[in-house]
Amino acid sequence: GQNIDQPTEMTATEGAIVQINCTYQTSGFNGLFWYQQHAGEAPTFLSYNVLDGLEEKGRFSSFLSRSKGYSYLLLKELQMKDSASYLCAVGDSNYQLIWGAGTKLIIKP
Amino acid sequence: GAVVSQHPSRVICKSGTSVKIECRSLDFQATTMFWYRQFPKQSLMLMATSNEGSKATYEQGVEKDKFLINHASLTLSTLTVTSAHPEDSSFYICSARDRLEYEQYFGPGTRLTVT
Repeated sequence: GQNIDQPTEMTATEGAIVQINCTYQTSGFNGLFWYQQHAGEAPTFLSYNVLDGLEEKGRFSSFLSRSKGYSYLLLKELQMKDSASYLCAVGDSNYQLIWGAGTKLIIKP
Repeated sequence: GAVVSQHPSRVICKSGTSVKIECRSLDFQATTMFWYRQFPKQSLMLMATSNEGSKATYEQGVEKDKFLINHASLTLSTLTVTSAHPEDSSFYICSARDRLEYEQYFGPGTRLTVT
């Protein structure tokens, strides 16, 4: 079957660094996406990895290891506005997105 | 970046009535559109996938006669919730994908409340 696992909830301190992990088992692989979703709003795109390695975009970085079926989203210099849910999604062999349940990130002052 | 709009943003309707939600891609041609439903504190649940000019493909457990999807043009898809019931109250989100890209662009969502 198809499975995306990520922690349900994480807590971090303002100014710190947090890493949100995602492991996946899917039929085929056509890239891994990270989306951010604030409460009551639609998801917004953060990153897309299709090759192994680290992609850096400002305070956010995303890493992928296809052989391990593993990705992480790294958030640096955390701000209160980063409090949100972070969704991991994998494109399968049909180019459909398989969604994880999301990780709720709580930032404390 | 690509923009997707949804209308209405909020709607309250009475039980037994029908509600239509529109999803538009404003600056690109969306060959594929997706409809999601999200209950409070839960993740996105894909309801159906629609390709322009074709019938929608519904996910298991989603009633196609209750959730009517029309994707008549490359910029517009509609979801009609027929004979709505209070348990249909949810956050409905559409997303769209350009045939040349893989990323899905999300609309702002529609919060439906059935009384």
